[in-house]
Amino acid sequence: GEDVEQSLFLSVREGDSSVINCTYTDSSSTYLYWYKQEPGAGLQLLTYIFSNMDMKQDQRLTVLLNKKDKHLSLRIADTQTGDSAIYFCAESVLGNTPLVFGKGTRLSVIA
Amino acid sequence: KAGVTQTPRYLIKTRGQQVTLSCSPISGHRSVSWYQQTPGQGLQFLFEYFSETQRNKGNFPGRFSGRQFSNSRSEMNVSTLELGDSALYLCASSPKTGDEAFFGQGTRLTVV
Repeated sequence: GEDVEQSLFLSVREGDSSVINCTYTDSSSTYLYWYKQEPGAGLQLLTYIFSNMDMKQDQRLTVLLNKKDKHLSLRIADTQTGDSAIYFCAESVLGNTPLVFGKGTRLSVIA
Repeated sequence: KAGVTQTPRYLIKTRGQQVTLSCSPISGHRSVSWYQQTPGQGLQFLFEYFSETQRNKGNFPGRFSGRQFSNSRSEMNVSTLELGDSALYLCASSPKTGDEAFFGQGTRLTVV
């Protein structure tokens, strides 16, 4: 079955890079997503990657996918205090929702 | 383009009552999914609708139901509310099933 695992907490200093990790189990996953949730808000789609890609970069965000190890990471360069939030990794099989989410990683940015 | 709109944002209900939550998807999106978010269980899938038909259903009791209208707007209903139904209910819309999902701000339901 599908299962997505994430570490629960990460603390970094402002200006450093943050790396949030995720592992998934479904070998047929086609889309892998990163969502951001700020306090009291819904989920904001940050970026996603197809399972036939190894890397995707979008401004300060870099997603790396290791299909062999079923490991996904989100790197945030030059982390700012506004990046403090909970980050969710999610997987989805092509043409077949639902999204399966990890428990989320709470990122705290120290000024 | 307006995002996903959920109403109401906050709701307080008593055990045993029923509640209806509403979701208006992004214009042109025909797939609407609902998720429940709680501190203990995280984000769990409730159901997905596409073109007024339920396409997928999560592992929730029959007290949880939904529907989708011809304009793609969706409602979910919870009957005989229990304390454990207190959660943030999130709606997401996609152009079609399997596309990337865009979420609304959620409806926070508190059952007392």
